[in-house]
Amino acid sequence: AQSVTQLDSHVSVSEGTPVLLRCNYSSSYSPSLFWYVQHPNKGLQLLLKYTSAATLVKGINGFEAEFKKSETSFHLTKPSAHMSDAAEYFCVVSGLEAAGNKLTFGGGTRVLVKP
Amino acid sequence: DTGVSQNPRHKITKRGQNVTFRCDPISEHNRLYWYRQTLGQGPEFLTYFQNEAQLEKSRLLSDRFSAERPKGSFSTLEIQRTEQGDSAMYLCASSLSGPATQYFGPGTRLLVL
Repeated sequence: AQSVTQLDSHVSVSEGTPVLLRCNYSSSYSPSLFWYVQHPNKGLQLLLKYTSAATLVKGINGFEAEFKKSETSFHLTKPSAHMSDAAEYFCVVSGLEAAGNKLTFGGGTRVLVKP
Repeated sequence: DTGVSQNPRHKITKRGQNVTFRCDPISEHNRLYWYRQTLGQGPEFLTYFQNEAQLEKSRLLSDRFSAERPKGSFSTLEIQRTEQGDSAMYLCASSLSGPATQYFGPGTRLLVL
């Protein structure tokens, strides 16, 4: 079984400052990890994914995440926040392919960007 | 690529009524997933299909819930005798087999009065 913990339910940043969203996971195997973003009244959009290649993963819109096996973490960062980054972000772990790659979501982090 | 579509986008119903939602996946995707998202929570897995076969159902999916994918293309999720606790966003996703990315639709928001 796998689980995901997002350590902050809300994060508030000023426009132009760095964003850090923290995520810890638990898995009995080498997982695939994802970050999805959900804007109000819109579907979940994939930001980036880790699938056992490079530990530093670059995604869309300037986001990146670093997989740290020793810390079981997959934190999401962006060097400079933009107003359009205000949304809810979900850290996600995928189950085994043999079990259908079911996704397990964290509780989400809501990001507020102040002008 | 038209993406994953879901209909209706919103549904308001009275307790005890039946409702049905539809999901149209990306055309070449053979896997289709249903998730449920309640307010302030992350989505939770409900069930998934490989082509027309329903391969797993979560314990969240009570016997009032049924899902089908009759021709391995679109899928329907029916809730019978709705309860207020069924109020949630129902999300559909599709993917290819293997360690593939799941692409989500916009969801159907259900409100049971």
